[in-house]
This record gives sequence, structure tokens and C-alpha cells, in this order.
Amino acid sequence: DGGITQSPKYLFRKEGQNVTLSCEQNLNHDAMYWYRQDPGQGLRLIYYSQIVNDFQKGDIAEGYSVSREKKESFPLTVTSAQKNPTAFYLCASSSPVYGLAGGTDTQYFGPGTRLTVL
Amino acid sequence: DQQVKQNSPSLSVQEGRISILNCDYTNSMFDYFLWYKKYPAEGPTFLISISSIKDKNEDGRFTVFLNKSAKHLSLHIVPSQPGDSAVYFCAARGMNRDDKIIFGKGTRLHILP
Repeated sequence: DGGITQSPKYLFRKEGQNVTLSCEQNLNHDAMYWYRQDPGQGLRLIYYSQIVNDFQKGDIAEGYSVSREKKESFPLTVTSAQKNPTAFYLCASSSPVYGLAGGTDTQYFGPGTRLTVL
Repeated sequence: DQQVKQNSPSLSVQEGRISILNCDYTNSMFDYFLWYKKYPAEGPTFLISISSIKDKNEDGRFTVFLNKSAKHLSLHIVPSQPGDSAVYFCAARGMNRDDKIIFGKGTRLHILP
């Protein structure tokens, strides 16, 4: 059955280490997104990709990097440059339709990865 | 600068009564609006959406109302059930190719027994 998966569910990292979070979807969606959720902050967009081999920075891209080599996969690397990496990370995918008063863009989310930096 | 605002961080409603969650937006170019529900330590799940060409969309117990002149939308849940206790996010998007979905900060709904 179709869906979006993230692994691992929980991840611990020592300060100064890079870590990569996995996101895979078999929904045949063109667009994929990475969000970060902190208490009281809602969902903040880190990076997004509308098509394979292309991606754009979101609102809080500093200290993160991504790649989109395959349509199904959009891994996120949290680098040592990210000053406050402990958070809940959410990946999403969608097939957005744009246009005058008729567009849709329902994003479907994975279960999330809780990253804790020790 | 918050473009999508959920001014009530939390809301408590008696089981069986109506829950009304509110959302305001500032960008008049938004043309697609969504509501998501989120349980702790899980990803948000899509609930219901509405296009700017409509002012109401209903799906079972959930109804979303859009008032474009007031730049306001609301989610009505009736009757409220214990499983509805969660955080609800309002989201909006413009009509252009490069527009991204903007999320509000969420409202935590508590359904009281």
C-alpha cells in the first residue's frame, strides 16, 4: 500500500556529527518537503523539492542539506553547523496543482523522526 | 511575520458538543486552505481542504468555512469525540507555481468527558 516512510523513528547524535534522516514515498508524488517542529512553533519548512534533481531552501535551511536523486527519496542531512538540531523532523510529499481558484496541494506526512543531540 | 494565524493555543470542549477552531490569514493571494490533525510524536494527517471558489466544504463530522472578505476560516467538528483530542494546524497556499504551503502554529483541542 502507498505511503511515506521515515527512518529511524528516534535518532541520537553527538555534538559535531552530521546525521542523515531518510524519507521515502511510493505515492508517485513530484514534490517532497522537510519540516521541523518545535514546541509552540508549528511546522517550519527546511527544504523542498518540486522535481527530481532540483530543490529549494525553505525558511530555516541553515545547517541542513538535501538531495533529490530519485523521485521516491529525499534525504535530509543535519550538519554540525545546525546550532539547535534537537527537534521532531517531518517529511511530506504531494502532487500540487496550481491555477486560478482550483489548485490543490494536499501534503501527506510521514511518521516523523525525533532527533536528539547529546 | 505570520501569514497564517491560529490565535488560540488551546481549546477545551465537552464530548458531544461542537468544536470550532479558528484561523486568520493575511495574504489575499491565498487560494487553497487545509486543516491537518496531529497526535504527539506522529506526522500530521490531512483532514479537509477548501478552495477559494467555495465558502464551505463538508466531510462527515468536519466542516470548513471560508470567509474571504474577513480572511478567516474555521473548522467545525460535530459532535466532538474523545479521539478528536489533538493539535490542529491550519494551512494556506497561493495559486502560483512557486508558492509554498504556510502552516499556522496549531491549536490543541481537548475533548472533555
